[in-house]
Amino acid sequence: GQNIDQPTEMTATEGAIVQINCTYQTSGFNGLFWYQQHAGEAPTFLSYNVLDGLEEKGRFSSFLSRSKGYSYLLLKELQMKDSASYLCAVRDPTGFQKLVFGTGTRLLVSP
Amino acid sequence: GAGVSQSPSNKVTEKGKDVELRCDPISGHTALYWYRQSLGQGLEFLIYFQGNSAPDKSGLPSDRFSAERTGGSVSTLTIQRTQQEDSAVYLCASSPDNNNEQFFGPGTRLTVL
Repeated sequence: GQNIDQPTEMTATEGAIVQINCTYQTSGFNGLFWYQQHAGEAPTFLSYNVLDGLEEKGRFSSFLSRSKGYSYLLLKELQMKDSASYLCAVRDPTGFQKLVFGTGTRLLVSP
Repeated sequence: GAGVSQSPSNKVTEKGKDVELRCDPISGHTALYWYRQSLGQGLEFLIYFQGNSAPDKSGLPSDRFSAERTGGSVSTLTIQRTQQEDSAVYLCASSPDNNNEQFFGPGTRLTVL
């Protein structure tokens, strides 16, 4: 089976930096995704990592260590609009098909 | 261009009734996925369609759940004899192929009374 773990909730202050961790235990690996989901809305794609290292995209960066089964999403210069749930998902290695999601981390950004 | 659309946005039904949820994927996307998101839970995979291949139904929770994809485009998820535990947001996603980012629709919130 596969297991994805993320913290349930985090809080941070506007302008700060926050790191959201994700650990996974899977029989194989074919890529890790981060999605952002505002309350009542569809998840939207943030990043994709398949090789070890850091992928940077504006204020958001995502890191992957395959040997440790570990990823993090780094959000810089936090804005109020960044308050949302952040979903970590691992691609099922058996068929390049479904994503296996963690329960998501709810981030609350305060002034 | 237009994104993934789903209808209805909200559906309230009585226990035991059948419901149909519709998904219109992005034009040209060959892969289509259905997920379920229950309160406090992560997204749970239900079923996957890729082109004309047989669908991957491994995530369907019971035989009350079924899905079709007609003409390689629109998909319908049917839940028969609904139960209260079926209450959730049902999300549809599509992608250009099975090895790319998935684009999600806004979901259908199903409430079974």
